[in-house]
Amino acid sequence: DTGVSQDPRHKITKRGQNVTFRCDPISEHNRLYWYRQTLGQGPEFLTYFQNEAQLEKSRLLSDRFSAERPKGSFSTLEIQRTEQGDSAMYLCASSPGTSSREQYFGPGTRLTVT
Amino acid sequence: RKEVEQDPGPFNVPEGATVAFNCTYSNSASQSFFWYRQDCRKEPKLLMSVYSSGNEDGRFTAQLNRASQYISLLIRDSKLSDSATYLCVVITGSARQLTFGSGTQLTVLP
Repeated sequence: DTGVSQDPRHKITKRGQNVTFRCDPISEHNRLYWYRQTLGQGPEFLTYFQNEAQLEKSRLLSDRFSAERPKGSFSTLEIQRTEQGDSAMYLCASSPGTSSREQYFGPGTRLTVT
Repeated sequence: RKEVEQDPGPFNVPEGATVAFNCTYSNSASQSFFWYRQDCRKEPKLLMSVYSSGNEDGRFTAQLNRASQYISLLIRDSKLSDSATYLCVVITGSARQLTFGSGTQLTVLP
């Protein structure tokens, strides 16, 4: 499968715990995005990497959130001290970074904070 | 005010019907425009790009009016398999991040 993959697909955690999600983009896509989607809403942009550099962060990305893309390939999104309001689908997307502006989404990680 | 606004629906239409979705965006600097489709509990997938000249892909026609900051999607001869949420999307920032509307839910009934 050469699409975007995300792991885990589902995560249930207790409030206050830390969680980490992984995203593997399409090979050779140098742009990687994280979005968050809650029920009944469209996805909302969280952050963007070009290769290993994190170039933009949304104001939605509080201090409890951190994202990395250490070698310009896979990326991780960590949420510290989870809150119930963090419950959402976390989507990763990648783009080739050429003139194409299409983004290809992974299946998402559904987080439930109890 | 949301940056991209859509009628949330739901739209319930019989098979074979024609249905139109509308969307408005607030940032006149928006660069690119798309319709994405999202099936229940799945990721969004690109349906089609939207151009000022209008573009058609089979039963689907998309139109952009930059002066009015308005985007439309027309689905003709709707099929059961068209049932999904349709997301209006614009690109505005230098990071080319997608800004989504809340989506319009379509159910095509037999």
